[in-house]
Amino acid sequence: AQSVTQPDIHITVSEGASLELRCNYSYGATPYLFWYVQSPGQGLQLLLKYFSGDTLVQGIKGFEAEFKRSQSSFNLRKPSVHWSDAAEYFCAVVTGYNQGGKLIFGQGTELSVKP
Amino acid sequence: GAVVSQHPSWVICKSGTSVKIECRSLDFQATTMFWYRQFPKQSLMLMATSNEGSKATYEQGVEKDKFLINHASLTLSTLTVTSAHPEDSSFYICSGGQGAYPYEQYFGPGTRLTVT
Repeated sequence: AQSVTQPDIHITVSEGASLELRCNYSYGATPYLFWYVQSPGQGLQLLLKYFSGDTLVQGIKGFEAEFKRSQSSFNLRKPSVHWSDAAEYFCAVVTGYNQGGKLIFGQGTELSVKP
Repeated sequence: GAVVSQHPSWVICKSGTSVKIECRSLDFQATTMFWYRQFPKQSLMLMATSNEGSKATYEQGVEKDKFLINHASLTLSTLTVTSAHPEDSSFYICSGGQGAYPYEQYFGPGTRLTVT
């Protein structure tokens, strides 16, 4: 069965520092991967997605993610964090077509930003 | 980008009553809509998937008679929590899937339900 693991429940970084949020997936076929961000009491906003092609994906708000098939990873990065990036981040993989194309979410990583 | 709205954004109801939550895709046709439940500090739990004009497909463990889902059109899906109890209090989020597989899901802002 497909699964997504985000090993870090909570990360704190200083404003201006670089950020990497880890995501590992378990999926037999080519995965379709997403990163979403959720501010408190809000819905989810899509940061970026990987379907195929270039394994380094650029997203909104200066985020990027790299798909590494050999490591079953899709880590999210940002070179310089802003205080407004403090939020919950979710990695997700789409299930197979015959399974309804549902999203399987990781547990989420809460990002705090120190001034 | 594609926009999904939810109404109401928050609702308080008494135990034993029913409450309906609307999910609308404002600028696209959502062939598939998904309903999630989220507890504080936790990830999203998929409750059900619905396709326009068809019965919803519920995830294992979700009571279909308690959580009634209707997907009457390509832009509207509703979730009705029947005979609500305090344990149904949660944050409910819907999403609309656009186009063919793999669907890119666009999420609504969520509805906070509190049952007293």
